[in-house]
Amino acid sequence: EVQLVESGGGLVQPGGSLRLSCAASGFSFTSYAMSWVRQAPGKGLEWVSTISGSGDNTYYPDSVKGRFTISRDNSKNTLYLQMNSLRAEETAVYFCAKDLPSSWASDYWGQGTLVTVSS
Amino acid sequence: EIVLTQSPATLSLSPGERATLSCRASQSVSNYLAWYQQKPGQAPRLLIYAASTRATGIPARFSGSGSGTDFTLTISSLEPEDFAVYYCQQRSDWPITFGQGTRLEIK
Repeated sequence: EVQLVESGGGLVQPGGSLRLSCAASGFSFTSYAMSWVRQAPGKGLEWVSTISGSGDNTYYPDSVKGRFTISRDNSKNTLYLQMNSLRAEETAVYFCAKDLPSSWASDYWGQGTLVTVSS
Repeated sequence: EIVLTQSPATLSLSPGERATLSCRASQSVSNYLAWYQQKPGQAPRLLIYAASTRATGIPARFSGSGSGTDFTLTISSLEPEDFAVYYCQQRSDWPITFGQGTRLEIK
């Protein structure tokens, strides 16, 4: 059974940093790209980042490029999202997700971890 | 950036009725279009990918169609558990984008 468990969310001040983790199990972690998607309270879904199975390729929207870093430790079956210079509008639930082959879509999602950016 | 526009914003129907949800892309995404269902307090659930392929375990009452810029998610006969928010997503080009969602509510 595929399981994705996020952790690391919490309260952080504007301009601060936070690192999210996503522990994966139930599938061959190195074989699949992984993504982060966020959802602000009462709002829609927003893609945050994707990383290839090997970790060699990473992708970001302009809104987080240069501030967020996605990475993975394939020996630990764990995905990370390092978030720096956080802004109040980035308060959201952050989901990690496993991608289908050829990145058609994300077929399994974690339960999400809440990040609150506030002073 | 490819903009996805979903319509209607809210759809009010009764169980047993047919639901038709639309997603229009600002430029062609070929068939790199997925549909997700999300219920309150839950993670999104993949329904359809490659525009028309049902994900594992998804009931046959869910179907997707379209290519290029116009896509449709059809639920042939609504069950009580189908009332939720539905999002389309394109994976044709970076950045990956989502539509704003269609809320399917009980009439």
